[in-house]
Parts: sequence; structure tokens; C-alpha cells
Amino acid sequence: GENVEQHPSTLSVQEGDSAVIKCTYSDSASNYFPWYKQELGKRPQLIIDIRSNVGEKKDQRIAVTLNKTAKHFSLHITETQPEDSAVYFCAASRGTGTASKLTFGTGTRLQVTL
Amino acid sequence: GAVVSQHPSRVICKSGTSVKIECRSLDFQATTMFWYRQFPKQSLMLMATSNEGSKATYEQGVEKDKFLINHASLTLSTLTVTSAHPEDSSFYICSASGQFFGPGTRLTVL
Repeated sequence: GENVEQHPSTLSVQEGDSAVIKCTYSDSASNYFPWYKQELGKRPQLIIDIRSNVGEKKDQRIAVTLNKTAKHFSLHITETQPEDSAVYFCAASRGTGTASKLTFGTGTRLQVTL
Repeated sequence: GAVVSQHPSRVICKSGTSVKIECRSLDFQATTMFWYRQFPKQSLMLMATSNEGSKATYEQGVEKDKFLINHASLTLSTLTVTSAHPEDSSFYICSASGQFFGPGTRLTVL
């Protein structure tokens, strides 16, 4: 089955700096890669996703890149703010998302300090 | 995005009792729902895939007789934790569209 690794496990940045979280996956058939933000005690919130036919996607301060050959994808957050502090999870699946199970990475705890 | 609700949000029960958790898709029909479990400071782990009108598919290591899943309609799936024990204490989260999650149910077994 799919195995998703995520690094780093914790990340501390100063407000205004950029944060990068990296994930690798093992199943070459995976074609959908969402990123989630989870605050303590809350549900994971989808913040951005990318499909395998795209190499990069950007939404305001958040961007995701995908390297299919190397089987890795990354989340980039620019101009970080204290409200970006949370746990971030990457995930991978074979489907388009509507009826496909997700395999999650181990999570990255991002702390944005003033 | 899709709206998914869960009930209850929090439950505390005694060891040996059974607990039922409901997952509802509020604005669309879901033939497939997913149940995940998240222990403190850990990632989400898929427990089972709930299929409307048929048996659920369980992930390796998840006991189907302990975690009963019923998906009787296109908008409702239920997860029943039978004979709950303290090690079943966790955050249970459903997904009704593959991308969007319910608010989760925190189960504490005393």
C-alpha cells in the first residue's frame, strides 16, 4: 500500500519568514495530493491540493509543488503569520478525491513566532 | 466544499459499553464514506471505507466485529465501537467526500 513520509516533524519560523514542508510517497499510481491544516481539537481543513498532471499550484501565500519522477511534493507558505501556527498534514490517494481513501503523512507542527 | 457533520462531538463512556457515532453528509449524496482515527499527537489513520448498501471494507489490523459500520443511506454512515476499552479512546473523524472531514468525535473510555 501507499506510504507517505513527511518532514520536518516540527518547524519554528519567525513571522514573515517562509515555511517549507516536504513529503514523499511510495505508490507511483497516486495522483492526488492534498494538504491539510489542523488546529488543536478540530477537523483537518483542506488548504490546497494538486493533481498529478500539474507541477505547481499557488493560492495567495500558499503553494504546492509536485515532482512525480522523484515522488515528492512540498508545501510552501510565504509571509507566515501567527495564525498559520497549526499541524499540517500531507496526504496521497489514487483517485480524484471524491471516493478515494487518503494516506496521510505524519504531520508537521508549525510554530510562527512574533 | 462539502458539508459533513458528526454526532456526538464528545462522548465519555465506561469500559465495556458500546458507542455509536453518526456521520452525515448535509449537501450531497455520498455512496462512500471513510472513517479515520487519530490518537493524540499522531496522524490520521484510515480504519474503514463505508459503502452505501454493502459491507464496509476494513484496513488491515482493524477488527470489523469491534468497529461496526452501517451505511444505510446516501447521507448517513454510523460507526459503533463495541465493548469499548480505554485503548479505544481517540478522535474519530469521518469523511464523506474523500476531501472534506466531519468535525470529529472525541471518545474517552474510562
